[in-house]
Amino acid sequence: EDKVVQSPLSLVVHEGDTVTLNCSYEVTNFRSLLWYKQEKKAPTFLFMLTSSGIEKKSGRLSSILDKKELFSILNITATQTGDSAVYLCAVEDVSNFGNEKLTFGTGTRLTIIP
Amino acid sequence: DTGVSQDPRHKITKRGQNVTFRCDPISEHNRLYWYRQTLGQGPEFLTYFQNEAQLEKSRLLSDRFSAERPKGSFSTLEIQRTEQGDSAMYLCASTAGMFEKLFFGSGTQLSVL
Repeated sequence: EDKVVQSPLSLVVHEGDTVTLNCSYEVTNFRSLLWYKQEKKAPTFLFMLTSSGIEKKSGRLSSILDKKELFSILNITATQTGDSAVYLCAVEDVSNFGNEKLTFGTGTRLTIIP
Repeated sequence: DTGVSQDPRHKITKRGQNVTFRCDPISEHNRLYWYRQTLGQGPEFLTYFQNEAQLEKSRLLSDRFSAERPKGSFSTLEIQRTEQGDSAMYLCASTAGMFEKLFFGSGTQLSVL
């Protein structure tokens, strides 16, 4: 069974700190790994990673994938209160029926204290 | 606003009642997904449509759940004889292709009393 594990489950830091969120996975037919930010309701897309070792960057956020060790990290530098959210990792694979699907981890709840 | 709309936003029902949720995806998106999310968990796959065809349904989904997407446009998710364990956020998402362009609706929060 496909599995995506995120750690830590929750994290509380002060504004300005740097955080690293972890995601490890076990899937049968890996296609890509995606990171989402969920503040209230709808998850919003952050990054899609398909190749090992290539860092994706957007402002203070960055992410990298290691397909040999089956994990990814999401880094946030100089955190701000607006970064408080649940960060979801999801892996795209192909189901037994030949359909692409996303399997999500439980998420990391990040709280930034002013 | 992602362009994917869900209705209603909240639904409170008594155990045993039937409920129906609606999802209107972005108009040119042919792929539509339903997910369920409970507190402290990530979204869990329920079912997948490509146009009007329901191509996959999670084996975790009981026979009380049914989904449709007539004419490949909006989709409905019905739960019959609701149970307290059905209480969750039901999320709809759509895309025209890659998951990089998968957009989620704001969800329907179901509470079964």
